[in-house]
Amino acid sequence: RKEVEQDPGPFNVPEGATVAFNCTYSNSASQSFFWYRQDCRKEPKLLMSVYSSGNEDGRFTAQLNRASQYISLLIRDSKLSDSATYLCVVNGEDSSASKIIFGSGTRLSIRP
Amino acid sequence: DAGITQSPRHKVTETGTPVTLRCHQTENHRYMYWYRQDPGHGLRLIHYSYGVKDTDKGEVSDGYSVSRSKTEDFLLTLESATSSQTSVYFCAISAERYNSPLHFGNGTRLTVT
Repeated sequence: RKEVEQDPGPFNVPEGATVAFNCTYSNSASQSFFWYRQDCRKEPKLLMSVYSSGNEDGRFTAQLNRASQYISLLIRDSKLSDSATYLCVVNGEDSSASKIIFGSGTRLSIRP
Repeated sequence: DAGITQSPRHKVTETGTPVTLRCHQTENHRYMYWYRQDPGHGLRLIHYSYGVKDTDKGEVSDGYSVSRSKTEDFLLTLESATSSQTSVYFCAISAERYNSPLHFGNGTRLTVT
C-alpha cells in the first residue's frame, strides 16, 4: 500500500458544482497535512493547511479524519479557474524530510 | 509569494556533462529541499538541507550531490548527467520541519540528450 493515496481522476464537473476529493495515508503518527494545487507545467502552490477541527477558506473546506486516516478537500461553487491538479501532503513524525509524502495528485477539470 | 528563485529555468545538456542547478531564497528559512517531478511518479525528494552545511539524502539521491554554504543558497549538482535525469526539478523551502508547509520555486526543466 502506498503511504499516501489519491484518486488520480480526472474529475470532470460543471461550473458551479461542488466537488470533493479524499487522500488516504498509512502512517497513523503523521503530524501535519496540506493541500496544494498545481497547474500544468507550474510549481505546486499551497492551497491550505488541514487542521484537526477542519478549516475553511472561502469556497474551500479541508477536513482531517484521524480515525480513518484520510484528509478531504471540498470545493463549492467551482470556477473554471479551479481546473488543476490537487496534491495532498502528509508530514510524518520522523525527523527525516523523507517523511514529507506527496500524493500523486487528483486532476480536476471544470467545464463551462 | 515566498522569495525562491531557481536558475536556470530551462537547460539542455549532453549525457556525461556535469550540471548545477541553483536555488536561492530570501526568506531565511532553515530547511531547503530538492525534488524532481516525473509523469507517473509525482514529486520525489532528492536531497534536503536542515542548515548550512547540513544535508541529507532523499529517496532518489543516486547521481546527485548538494551543497549549502549559505542559508540562502542550495545547489544541486548532477555529476555526470544521464538521460534518466531528464525531469523537472523543484526547490522548496520551509521554516520548520513539522507543521510548516513547503513553498516551491518555479522549477527548472532539464533535458539530457
